[in-house]
Amino acid sequence: NAGVTQTPKFRVLKTGQSMTLLCAQDMNHEYMYWYRQDPGMGLRLIHYSVGEGTTAKGEVPDGYNVSRLKKQNFLLGLESAAPSQTSVYFCASSYGQENQPQHFGDGTRLSIL
Amino acid sequence: AQSVTQLDSQVPVFEEAPVELRCNYSSSVSVYLFWYVQYPNQGLQLLLKYLSGSTLVESINGFEAEFNKSQTSFHLRKPSVHISDTAEYFCAVTLEGKLQFGAGTQVVVTP
Repeated sequence: NAGVTQTPKFRVLKTGQSMTLLCAQDMNHEYMYWYRQDPGMGLRLIHYSVGEGTTAKGEVPDGYNVSRLKKQNFLLGLESAAPSQTSVYFCASSYGQENQPQHFGDGTRLSIL
Repeated sequence: AQSVTQLDSQVPVFEEAPVELRCNYSSSVSVYLFWYVQYPNQGLQLLLKYLSGSTLVESINGFEAEFNKSQTSFHLRKPSVHISDTAEYFCAVTLEGKLQFGAGTQVVVTP
């Protein structure tokens, strides 16, 4: 049981390049989330999904897009990377109810030069 | 305005000493409260949670947290820390259906 798996673990991009971060969960969770973690700011929600085929904006959605074509996968895309998007990105999943904890992946460290 | 406030960004503590990490939130409605721990180069792991019932909740590794509704607080404590408790600790509160995180408190345990 792998839980939440993120790929890649590290990536360096040049400004303007695009890339996709992949998140996969094997817990049959309905809800999935993408966060970014920056020093002194905790985790901020980028986008989330409440089920296959659905997506919604979080607190900091600008510059990112997401897709949830399969229940187990949640993709985060950067169409034109900017240095301000240098961060550690975490994917999480949960059963969905507000009282259910979220399960996190190990993160993707992304640097934009 | 930050909805979840962790008052200390870093807490140095000696091994076997007690530690308290403070967390306050701003909400007038019922909430669900969580503490997560993040070890270096890892994701967040659930430490403990308060959903309802007894205001004192405990984890399997000796941490406890107390929900205080009147003070809107959920402080985390451990009576005797180990070197292995060195990590960053995040308080999180479900507000308006979303999980809101505090900025985190880095705990550094030294011998």
